[in-house]
Amino acid sequence: GAGVSQSPSNKVTEKGKDVELRCDPISGHTALYWYRQSLGQGLEFLIYFQGNSAPDKSGLPSDRFSAERTGGSVSTLTIQRTQQEDSAVYLCASSLSWGASGGSSTDTQYFGPGTRLTVL
Amino acid sequence: LAKTTQPISMDSYEGQEVNITCSHNNIATNDYITWYQQFPSQGPRFIIQGYKTKVTNEVASLFIPADRKSSTLSLPRVSLSDTAVYYCLVGDVYSNYQLIWGAGTKLIIKP
Repeated sequence: GAGVSQSPSNKVTEKGKDVELRCDPISGHTALYWYRQSLGQGLEFLIYFQGNSAPDKSGLPSDRFSAERTGGSVSTLTIQRTQQEDSAVYLCASSLSWGASGGSSTDTQYFGPGTRLTVL
Repeated sequence: LAKTTQPISMDSYEGQEVNITCSHNNIATNDYITWYQQFPSQGPRFIIQGYKTKVTNEVASLFIPADRKSSTLSLPRVSLSDTAVYYCLVGDVYSNYQLIWGAGTKLIIKP
């Protein structure tokens, strides 16, 4: 079946502009995750959705970042007034379920190919 | 939140067995241990997951001692295509709404 898809694959923008990054999770996956990965670095967890709800938004780097998910499916990560330090690959992942205490095989995250954001 | 510590990099040769150890001293009772593999310009890919003792699948084995403060990913007979970054992830997003990923181990396989 189809995997996680993200669009656009690449985005070049000017400092101060707003950008929207889109994630289409695997059909039926109720959990959705956003990460940021700077060049040569590990994954920085941003936010997680249980269905359409994000229990904790404290992982978002600043109030310029926001995310939403509608219909239990597509999610959008919006960065307002982009800065050069926002340049990174933004990865989205989905997993089958949420709410399982301690995790289980159903928590396996399936990642999309990422959106490479470059802020000039 | 459980934090993990892994070697930054490792080298090995084709055909060898490679063991990558991850330390997670403050792992919680309910935490599972999951390993992911990431190739350049791709998202991470699930390798294996376990809670205790030993887990084996078609690509790797995961060894977890009784105290669960560490875990070892074992890759049998590696090939050049196993060159990647390997991440150990410990945690439960459902109870603390966050996931802390370590820096990962860059594994380089030489011919």
